[in-house]
Amino acid sequence: EVQLLESGGGLVQPGGSLRLSCAASGFTFSNYAMSWVRQAPGKGLEWVSGISGSGGNTYYADSLQGRFTISRDNSKNTVSLQMNSLRAEDTAVYYCATPAPQSGNYDWAWGYWGQGTLVTVSS
Amino acid sequence: DIQMTQSPSSLSASVGDSVTITCRASRGINIYLAWFQQRPGRAPKSLIYATSRLQSGVPSKFSGGGSGTDFTLTISSLQPEDFATYYCQQYNSYPPTFGGGTKVEIK
Repeated sequence: EVQLLESGGGLVQPGGSLRLSCAASGFTFSNYAMSWVRQAPGKGLEWVSGISGSGGNTYYADSLQGRFTISRDNSKNTVSLQMNSLRAEDTAVYYCATPAPQSGNYDWAWGYWGQGTLVTVSS
Repeated sequence: DIQMTQSPSSLSASVGDSVTITCRASRGINIYLAWFQQRPGRAPKSLIYATSRLQSGVPSKFSGGGSGTDFTLTISSLQPEDFATYYCQQYNSYPPTFGGGTKVEIK
């Protein structure tokens, strides 16, 4: 059974930093891209960042303006999101997601989602 | 970026009804469209990929169609657990983008 478990959310002041992690199990982790998708309170879904299976390619939403960094450790089956210079508009539940094998070789065809971790940016 | 527009933004229906949600892409996305269901306070759940293919374990009451720029999600015989918000998402072009969501409420 595929499981994605996010951690690291919490309350942080504007301008602060936070590191999210997602622990994966139940599939061959290094074979699949991983993504972070967020949802602001009462709003829709927004893709934030992605990383290839090998970790050699990383992708970011333009709106982040270089403040976030995604990484992965295939020896530990984890993906992380380092978030710097946080703003109030970064307040959201952050989900990690990965494709399901049957979806084909499409990095953004997410079949599995974690339960999410809440990031609140406020003074 | 490709803009995804869902309609309606909300709808009311009764248990047993069938409903159809529409998703329009700002330019062609071939068949690379997915649908997700999100119940309040829960993570999104993948329903459909490649326009019409059901994810493992998703009941056949959910069906998807379309191609190019216009897509639909149909839910037949609505049950209480189907009342949720539904999102479409394109993965044909980078960056992946979502529709704004359609909230299906109980009448």
